[in-house]
Amino acid sequence: GDSVTQMEGPVTLSEEAFLTINCTYTATGYPSLFWYVQYPGEGLQLLLKATKADDKGSNKGFEATYRKETTSFHLEKGSVQVSDSAVYFCALRAPGRRALTFGSGTRLQVQP
Amino acid sequence: KAGVTQTPRYLIKTRGQQVTLSCSPISGHRSVSWYQQTPGQGLQFLFEYFSETQRNKGNFPGRFSGRQFSNSRSEMNVSTLELGDSALYLCASSLAGTGKDEQYFGPGTRLTVT
Repeated sequence: GDSVTQMEGPVTLSEEAFLTINCTYTATGYPSLFWYVQYPGEGLQLLLKATKADDKGSNKGFEATYRKETTSFHLEKGSVQVSDSAVYFCALRAPGRRALTFGSGTRLQVQP
Repeated sequence: KAGVTQTPRYLIKTRGQQVTLSCSPISGHRSVSWYQQTPGQGLQFLFEYFSETQRNKGNFPGRFSGRQFSNSRSEMNVSTLELGDSALYLCASSLAGTGKDEQYFGPGTRLTVT
């Protein structure tokens, strides 16, 4: 079945450091890929998405590229801020399906 | 435009009781999905409703049920609560529930079963 694997957290960085959160997936066909962010006490917010191979999703300085050959969708940001501290979820939606399949989440802690 | 709202935000119930959670989607959205979030199992899909019909269902026991009303508002019900049902229940709405729709999540209802 479909699955998403994310790197274990927490990831602790200093402000202005470079961020990478790894995400790989298993799915048949060409799923749509997403990154969601969850701040403490809140629901999920869509951060970015990509719907086909080689697409790059970007938002608020975050980027991720849909790599079909490596089945990956790694999240990157060039310079993190304290306000980026949250839990990040990688997710996929398989073709023809409506439900999202989520990874386990990666907690990011950014220290001033 | 108002976002997805869920009520109540917090709930404490006793084992064996039943509970009903409510979700109001974004205006104009006709698809509502429910997810359960727990520290152990992560985020898992419960079910999805569109135009008052359940279209998809995740791998949960029959104690978990839902419905959708003509105004697209949705409720989910859990009967005979177990300690393991303690979780954050998230509702997400989308325009038509197609594979290309974005899902917008509400803040969730945190259910604690004692």
